[in-house]
Amino acid sequence: GAVVSQHPSWVICKSGTSVKIECRSLDFQATTMFWYRQFPKQSLMLMATSNEGSKATYEQGVEKDKFLINHASLTLSTLTVTSAHPEDSSFYICSARDRWANSPLHFGNGTRLTVT
Amino acid sequence: AQTVTQSQPEMSVQEAETVTLSCTYDTSESDYYLFWYKQPPSRQMILVIRQEAYKQQNATENRFSVNFQKAAKSFSLKISDSQLGDAAMYFCAYRSALTSYDKVIFGPGTSLSVIP
Repeated sequence: GAVVSQHPSWVICKSGTSVKIECRSLDFQATTMFWYRQFPKQSLMLMATSNEGSKATYEQGVEKDKFLINHASLTLSTLTVTSAHPEDSSFYICSARDRWANSPLHFGNGTRLTVT
Repeated sequence: AQTVTQSQPEMSVQEAETVTLSCTYDTSESDYYLFWYKQPPSRQMILVIRQEAYKQQNATENRFSVNFQKAAKSFSLKISDSQLGDAAMYFCAYRSALTSYDKVIFGPGTSLSVIP
């Protein structure tokens, strides 16, 4: 089946630094990628949707200057958390799908970010 | 806007028994997709089953089946012969079929415990 690789699986950074998370589709062309944030024992909250070659569309309340999303190719999207603060600590999950309307979402394994 | 509701935050089932997880959704659209995702402690999102709204027949995948009631906007998941490995968070999800770029909306989740 389709595979989405997400790295790193966990990262610890100091407050004020930036962290980049990569999401790669290994065996299909990811026309659209979605970035989610998940707090403990809660559901997935969509942060933004990115289409290859276009600017990401952010959900209401998500700071686009803080969570930079790049989707420059059909196999790679990145999420950069800029000037991270402890409240940014969370579990971040990417997902991807190809261009067909009835295609399912394929998820990465997630990244646990801890900001100290 | 579409919403997905799961009214059971926690459920438990005896091993080998059957359990039903509830999901309701709200939409004004006529064509869409519904999903059940499983998230075990590893936090990997696993697609359990999907249903196209235009299909009247309920989807089944081995021990997993759904009861899709379009008029009632209800989409419950039945797990038969429950196994210890079924213990996880279960999320009901909705996606519009209007565009291939549309996002997946998740319900709040149901935590399922399986009692040996």
